[in-house]
Amino acid sequence: DSGVTQTPKHLITATGQRVTLRCSPRSGDLSVYWYQQSLDQGLQFLIQYYNGEERAKGNILERFSAQQFPDLHSELNLSSLELGDSALYFCASSVAQGLGNTIYFGEGSWLTVV
Amino acid sequence: AQSVAQPEDQVNVAEGNPLTVKCTYSVSGNPYLFWYVQYPNRGLQFLLKYITGDNLVKGSYGFEAEFNKSQTSFHLKKPSALVSDSALYFCAVRDRPRDDKIIFGKGTRLHILP
Repeated sequence: DSGVTQTPKHLITATGQRVTLRCSPRSGDLSVYWYQQSLDQGLQFLIQYYNGEERAKGNILERFSAQQFPDLHSELNLSSLELGDSALYFCASSVAQGLGNTIYFGEGSWLTVV
Repeated sequence: AQSVAQPEDQVNVAEGNPLTVKCTYSVSGNPYLFWYVQYPNRGLQFLLKYITGDNLVKGSYGFEAEFNKSQTSFHLKKPSALVSDSALYFCAVRDRPRDDKIIFGKGTRLHILP
């Protein structure tokens, strides 16, 4: 158990809908990362927050947004969902910024868009 | 921008034999390199990392990795493979101080044959 908690574990929704994925980082971790894993795209970095502020952005679609709250939990909002958004979404956390810091992954949220 | 390549989609090794999973990287500065393992329907688990120092890094579950700066490689190794090592392995890299994201390779599926 990495200590990173993600909910829900599984989610099935229809095209055009909106969902929110939730992440609680490890106790004491200030950085939160979101990744998307799909069969054809591999593991794609979406976005990173540090202590409530956005710090790095990757291949995140405009239909997606995220935030980190004062209690350090984070949410990833996915809207106007398309079939191609079906994927495993991971949250990860690390104690701080810094190149040598290890990031620890949650178990992921399986999103199926039908 | 940093990048990482895992040239083999799949590696098959007989149980008890040594295994190597290959990774090469491209960075503009000093590399910070990581290996993670993903078991079916699970999140990524941290195995080991290279920041600085000895080129041979030891990690979890008997794995080690060799950093080779001249060949820009960071191959994962284990002297004697176990069937339970069968999983998906990811190499990852970071190098830019103000860009904290970790970039992952596409992954290599390791099959250990009994």
